[in-house]
Formats: sequence, structure tokens, C-alpha cells
Amino acid sequence: RKEVEQDPGPFNVPEGATVAFNCTYSNSASQSFFWYRQDCRKEPKLLMSVYSSGNEDGRFTAQLNRASQYISLLIRDSKLSDSATYLCVVNVSPMRFGAGTRLTVKP
Amino acid sequence: NAGVTQTPKFRILKIGQSMTLQCTQDMNHNYMYWYRQDPGMGLKLIYYSVGAGITDKGEVPNGYNVSRSTTEDFPLRLELAAPSQTSVYFCASSYTGTSDTQYFGPGTRLTVL
Repeated sequence: RKEVEQDPGPFNVPEGATVAFNCTYSNSASQSFFWYRQDCRKEPKLLMSVYSSGNEDGRFTAQLNRASQYISLLIRDSKLSDSATYLCVVNVSPMRFGAGTRLTVKP
Repeated sequence: NAGVTQTPKFRILKIGQSMTLQCTQDMNHNYMYWYRQDPGMGLKLIYYSVGAGITDKGEVPNGYNVSRSTTEDFPLRLELAAPSQTSVYFCASSYTGTSDTQYFGPGTRLTVL
């Protein structure tokens, strides 16, 4: 089993849609979780950290389920500019990156 | 602040050649990392460093070497380049290694022919 697994997609959604990504991790000792965003041929950038209680940043909501060992990212009211690859990151010292889920938002 | 800078941006090597990828950060971060990203794949950790003079292997260290003589610099050395090392290489840094954000450089696109 891979340490961090994501649905590779691609997810193709219309503008305004709600889309959710899941990510599972294998190491129950993992303490820190993140979502990074990577645009085509660019470096990854932090989108948001994932806290145990769940957290929201505008249209983005991240949740953590320790019992089932998965984290999720929900994007509401998708914009064209949300088109990117979303990387799930789990810190098992050092960090482990998922392969990413590709999202395309269409007009 | 420039953040994390990498040079060169692009490079084509012949099989068997060697080269050094440069990485510098100006944020006084303790931790630095080298990743490679193959097309359509996630990032694989090559080497990392928790401070000057200390380095450790990641998931895919074979064929690479690193050194960390200063806090700012973390060069990656490729010896005897092979086609399997064709990839995009990202350097990153963070203040701590656990719950801290990693900041990435723009990457070096390497092709080995």
C-alpha cells in the first residue's frame, strides 16, 4: 500500500460546481496534513493545512478523519482559476506527497 | 526576499555526464529538501537536510549526492547521468520539518539523452 494515495482524476467540472477530493494515508502516526496546489509546469504551493477539527478558507474546506486515515478537500463554486493539480501531503517526517488529483474547471 | 532559487532552469545532459543543481534559500530555514517529479507523478524525496552539515537519504537517493555546508545552500550532484534521471527537480525549504510549510523553488528541468 502506498503511503499516500489519491484519485488521479482527471476531474472535469463546470464553473460553479462543487468538487471533492479524497486522500488516504497508511501511517497512523502521521501528525501533519496539507493540501498543496500545483499549476502546470510550476512548483507546488501550499493551499491549506488540515486540522483535526476541520478548517475552511473561503471556498475551500479541508477535513481529517484519523480513524479512517483519510483527508478530504472540498471546493465550492469552482472557478476557472481553480484548474490545477491538488497534492495531498502527509508528514511522517519527512513529508510524503501524493501523486495529485488533476482538476479542470470548464466554462 | 527571493525565497528559494534554483539554477539552471533547464539542462540537457548526455549519458555519463555529471552536473550540480544549485539551490539557495534566503529565509534562514533549517530544513532543505530535494525532490524529483516525473511526468504525471507525485514528488519523490531524494535527500533532505535538517541543518548545515547534516544530510539524510529520502526515498530515491541512488545516483545522487548532496552537501550542506551553509544554511543557505543545498546543491544536488548527479554523477554518471542516466536516462532514468530525466525529470523535474524541485528544491524546497522549511523552518521546521514537522508541521511547517515547505517553500519550493521554480524547478530544474533535466533531460538525459
